[in-house]
Amino acid sequence: DIQMTQSPSTLSASVGDRVTITCGASQSISSWLAWYQQKPGKAPKLLIYKASLLESGVPSRFSGSGSGTEFTLTISSLQPDDFATYYCQQYYTYSWTFGQGTKVEIK
Amino acid sequence: EVQLVESGGGLVKPGGSLRLSCAASGFTFSSYTMIWVRQAPGKGLEWVSSISSSSSYIYYADSVKGRFTISRDDANNSLYLQMNSLRAEDTAVYYCARVQDLAGLDSWGQGTLVTVSS
Repeated sequence: DIQMTQSPSTLSASVGDRVTITCGASQSISSWLAWYQQKPGKAPKLLIYKASLLESGVPSRFSGSGSGTEFTLTISSLQPDDFATYYCQQYYTYSWTFGQGTKVEIK
Repeated sequence: EVQLVESGGGLVKPGGSLRLSCAASGFTFSSYTMIWVRQAPGKGLEWVSSISSSSSYIYYADSVKGRFTISRDDANNSLYLQMNSLRAEDTAVYYCARVQDLAGLDSWGQGTLVTVSS
């Protein structure tokens, strides 16, 4: 099975900061990677798919990059609504593996 | 508007069974692969099972293989997860989600809590 590893596990940042979260795959997944945002008590929300494509309605301050085994999610200017947990997920294979999550906290 | 509404969660004893349902609306349910994802309290997301359109392909996580069965009823726009031989480690919020081809999970239900405890 493909393993997904995110870093950091927790990130403390301030409003307006540029934030980067990384996600690594244990083998190449081409660009078959998605990013989700989850707030407490809510279902995850799709932000980015195919590594770099922005889901409809998602603010342009979110961007994704990478291919193969290394990926990043960047928030260009952190907003109050962005404090949440972020997950990467591979869909190269049927097992749909998620990373362990990165919690973005207020500094 | 796409809507997914899970039901069927609750408290069950170890070794017991439960059947989760996911009612879909606002899209052509029969055309989509559907998936169950779970989240244990305070933990991350875990893929549980997926079923393609026409039920052609069905997959399970190793952690539930042989105990859980996914199915769908396209006539009633419904997805199901039959869970048998439940264990304490199956305690989680269970979400159903729609698979958008080549684009991840674009719609999610609100989740239903399953608690396995004596």
